[in-house]
Amino acid sequence: GQQLNQSPQSMFIQEGEDVSMNCTSSSIFNTWLWYKQDPGEGPVLLIALYKAGELTSNGRLTAQFGITRKDSFLNISASIPSDVGIYFCAGLTGANNLFFGTGTRLTVIP
Amino acid sequence: KAGVTQTPRYLIKTRGQQVTLSCSPISGHRSVSWYQQTPGQGLQFLFEYFSETQRNKGNFPGRFSGRQFSNSRSEMNVSTLELGDSALYLCASTDALVQFFGPGTRLTVL
Repeated sequence: GQQLNQSPQSMFIQEGEDVSMNCTSSSIFNTWLWYKQDPGEGPVLLIALYKAGELTSNGRLTAQFGITRKDSFLNISASIPSDVGIYFCAGLTGANNLFFGTGTRLTVIP
Repeated sequence: KAGVTQTPRYLIKTRGQQVTLSCSPISGHRSVSWYQQTPGQGLQFLFEYFSETQRNKGNFPGRFSGRQFSNSRSEMNVSTLELGDSALYLCASTDALVQFFGPGTRLTVL
């Protein structure tokens, strides 16, 4: 199935640093979702975006729905060790088909 | 509300066997989707059920099947298991277009 291009593939950062990751596609999406997955667990929803240009925060996390509707960004401020995990973006089409990004593996060094 | 539950959490089978996985969605959610997650392929959509009917299907062989019961609980079945079927199988229930995932069933085929 179709997958979104997510970058970077992996990141190693120091605790306290800010993190940015993004997701791009050649297709337009009506909804963008960001999930975090811990090892051996299912993805947990972090942020949902429903409108082009929308900027939404959830604690230290901020995500934006790109104006072109073909991309989205996730920022994490002041990272902490428990931010470690794999972050996935997901885009929902008008036909309610959900496509996932390839994931960004985040490692936070204390 | 309780989250999405999946049973069993871990399963070991041998090639040629069949397996049935179970998913109970969040109370009130009528849509259940199934995904296969592997390190190489990421999250791949299997199928979606709504009100006991398959509404959408991914690109998987006929060995993968599913069903949904009147209480919205869902099962997926994989027949004639192959080594490549080893994966984390995730179930998600949907509310307002947002999918909430269960912890997954880790299937290992030997």
